[in-house]
Amino acid sequence: GNSVTQMEGPVTLSEEAFLTINCTYTATGYPSLFWYVQYPGEGLQLLLKATKADDKGSNKGFEATYRKETTSFHLEKGSVQVSDSAVYFCALSETHSTLTFGKGTMLLVSP
Amino acid sequence: GAGVSQSPSNKVTEKGKDVELRCDPISGHTALYWYRQSLGQGLEFLIYFQGNSAPDKSGLPSDRFSAERTGGSVSTLTIQRTQQEDSAVYLCASSLPLAGTREGRWQFFGPGTRLTVL
Repeated sequence: GNSVTQMEGPVTLSEEAFLTINCTYTATGYPSLFWYVQYPGEGLQLLLKATKADDKGSNKGFEATYRKETTSFHLEKGSVQVSDSAVYFCALSETHSTLTFGKGTMLLVSP
Repeated sequence: GAGVSQSPSNKVTEKGKDVELRCDPISGHTALYWYRQSLGQGLEFLIYFQGNSAPDKSGLPSDRFSAERTGGSVSTLTIQRTQQEDSAVYLCASSLPLAGTREGRWQFFGPGTRLTVL
């Protein structure tokens, strides 16, 4: 079956530091890949997505590249802000577009 | 409102009682999904509705869980004889169908219903 593995948190960074949250996946077919973000007290929001190999999704300074050869979709941001503190979920979509999620990585950014 | 709405936002119930959770999808979204977010399990898919097709119930954890979608819009998730392990945040999402394309379907999530079973 499908699965998503992402690094355990919390990830604690100072403002303006470089962020990487690793995500790898297992899928029987050819999935689309997503990063969702959940800010404190709010619902899930789509952050970025990629639908085929070598696609790069980007939004709000975050980027992730669909790497089929390594089955990875690592999230990166060059300079994090305190407002980026949230829980980040990597996910894939294959059959019917139902999402399979990783367990989430909490990011804490301090001033 | 323009987004997915869910009610109630919080529900506290006693073990053994039945509960109903409601989801109002974005108008025009024919696809509707229920997920559960619980400690230790992360986010789990429960059930998927697409138009008039038979729902995909493959994620429902037991026969105590059921869901309906009336008129292709509002959906109700029902949990019968609730157990403490049912305590979680239940999330609903909706999306437009993009049949025939590989475009990843944007799923818009509601704020969730936090269920606590005492």
